[in-house]
Amino acid sequence: QVQLVQSGAEVKKPGSSVKVSCKASGGTFSRYSISWVRQAPGQGLEWMGTIIPICGVANYAQKFQGRITIIADESTSTAYMELSSLRSEDTAVYYCSRDPGNGCNYGYYFDYWGQGTLVTVSS
Amino acid sequence: QSALTQPASVSGSPGQSITISCTGTSSDVGTYNLVSWYQQYPGKVPKLMIYEVSKRPSGVSNRFSGSKSGNTASLTISGLQAEDEADYYCCSYAGSSRYVFGTGTKVTVL
Repeated sequence: QVQLVQSGAEVKKPGSSVKVSCKASGGTFSRYSISWVRQAPGQGLEWMGTIIPICGVANYAQKFQGRITIIADESTSTAYMELSSLRSEDTAVYYCSRDPGNGCNYGYYFDYWGQGTLVTVSS
Repeated sequence: QSALTQPASVSGSPGQSITISCTGTSSDVGTYNLVSWYQQYPGKVPKLMIYEVSKRPSGVSNRFSGSKSGNTASLTISGLQAEDEADYYCCSYAGSSRYVFGTGTKVTVL
């Protein structure tokens, strides 16, 4: 059974950065992709980016290009999402999720999700 | 990339069937049979209900079914139950290693 456990809630100042972790257990970490999805208060889900650890490739939504970095540490089965130049509109719950692709291919859906990490951006 | 369009709300009585639409473009829903659906209760984590347009993961009730025609995908819930009251989101692969989610639909069981 795959489990994704995320780091705890964060409070950040505008202009700063946040780094959220997502530790996976069960399954083989490098065999699947990890995506990050966020949800602002009272709003819908928004895809931010996906990393395929075995390929060392990360792809990002155009909206976040230049502000987001997703990396994966295969030795600890942990993925990280860093978002910089934070503004109040970045206040949201950030989820990591598993995309059960194989090799360098996406699976094209998200079957396991982390518990979510609330990031609050406030001065 | 604009979000896929879903109705803000859909309601139905217990036992009825309801359908939630998810309208995209020829660049996403219309081109790829890679639409998935997620159920989310307030304050909870999204749950995969349908993938690849119409496939159900193990453990998901067969009351949930998916389909697609042109640029519009649909999720049908038959035999509506009180426990189906939740938010539902569609998601489509949009090419170039990107995904796009729908705007979300609140399902109310009357």
